Amino acid sequence: SQQGEEDPQALSIQEGENATMNCSYKTSINNLQWYRQNSGRGLVHLILIRSNEREKHSGRLRVTLDTSKKSSSLLITASRAADTASYFCATDEWYGNNRLAFGKGNQVVVIP
Amino acid sequence: EAQVTQNPRYLITVTGKKLTVTCSQNMNHEYMSWYRQDPGLGLRQIYYSMNVEVTDKGDVPEGYKVSRKEKRNFPLILESPSPNQTSLYFCASSSGNNEQFFGPGTRLTVL
Repeated sequence: SQQGEEDPQALSIQEGENATMNCSYKTSINNLQWYRQNSGRGLVHLILIRSNEREKHSGRLRVTLDTSKKSSSLLITASRAADTASYFCATDEWYGNNRLAFGKGNQVVVIP
Repeated sequence: EAQVTQNPRYLITVTGKKLTVTCSQNMNHEYMSWYRQDPGLGLRQIYYSMNVEVTDKGDVPEGYKVSRKEKRNFPLILESPSPNQTSLYFCASSSGNNEQFFGPGTRLTVL
């Protein structure tokens, strides 16, 4: 199965700055999702963008999707210390079977 | 409160001693899944289930078994654990919209 690949792998920023992460994938998708994981805990769903959408916002999060380049980006604006976490993208290949392929994750550290 | 629960949260065992990690969800979700998370490898799907009595292999099913006799429960069974199954395990569930809800994780060490 395909996997999302996040880039960069690790990011360290000051509180208040924006954080941008990218994800690429290999095959056609139904949708792409971003999840957050605080150290050693379960993943929490952040946002889902469908293959026919180009941009989506949720609070301080902005996700873009470029299906021609098979890539997505997650922007966190005005970062806070509480945003320190690992961020994963996940792709859904087939409609209806709910299988997700996760990338390896992107660690973000926000320095107060 | 809508949630996915896993038990135990931490387990240290020895090679060959059968164990079961339970997973339960209270959201009436059809779809449930097990993942393992290893450093540098991200999350890899072990098994998933589309509904009661319907299970299928994920990307790394070797050494694991699952069952789905009830909609809310999806236990993960390691018949003969080996050290390479030392990992952090997550159960997840979802409905048709595909957002997955994750349990808190089970940290397994096989000596």
